[in-house]
Amino acid sequence: AQRVTQPEKLLSVFKGAPVELKCNYSYSGSPELFWYVQYSRQRLQLLLRHISRESIKGFTADLNKGETSFHLKKPFAQEEDSAMYYCALEGITDSWGKLQFGAGTQVVVTP
Amino acid sequence: KAGVTQTPRYLIKTRGQQVTLSCSPISGHRSVSWYQQTPGQGLQFLFEYFSETQRNKGNFPGRFSGRQFSNSRSEMNVSTLELGDSALYLCASSPGAGGELFFGEGSRLTVL
Repeated sequence: AQRVTQPEKLLSVFKGAPVELKCNYSYSGSPELFWYVQYSRQRLQLLLRHISRESIKGFTADLNKGETSFHLKKPFAQEEDSAMYYCALEGITDSWGKLQFGAGTQVVVTP
Repeated sequence: KAGVTQTPRYLIKTRGQQVTLSCSPISGHRSVSWYQQTPGQGLQFLFEYFSETQRNKGNFPGRFSGRQFSNSRSEMNVSTLELGDSALYLCASSPGAGGELFFGEGSRLTVL
């Protein structure tokens, strides 16, 4: 069974400090992994996906197949990074439109 | 392009009633997915439609159903409402080949 675990419900960091959101998954195969973000009063939106290997808003995420992890990192947090972050997994087969979401991590960046 | 539009945004029903929620996807998107979001269970996949066909279904009882029309608009229906059906129902659209989902703002259902 596929499962996504985000162990931290809340992450509070100071502006300018590094931030790392943990995501571990369980899936028998090679899934596609995403980070979605929901800013206050905005809709859920894609932040980044592992196959694009991009850095978005200073965030990066590396897929570690050995540790089955997809942690999200940013070296210097900004106040505008305060949001709810969800790690999500899409299986390779029979998974159209179906994302398995983690429980989410609320990030609060304080000045 | 206009984003994913969901109606109604808020509604209150009583136990035993039924409800229909509507979703208009981004123009050109042929896949529509539905998710239920609750504080206890988080985001859970309900079903996905592509070209009027249900391609995928989550683990929800048969009281939850949906359909998609030829213009890609989708509706979901919940019959015989229970208190536990109170949730934010999110619709998402995509071109249909997997990958990024574009979410609507959701329909918040309260069952009394």
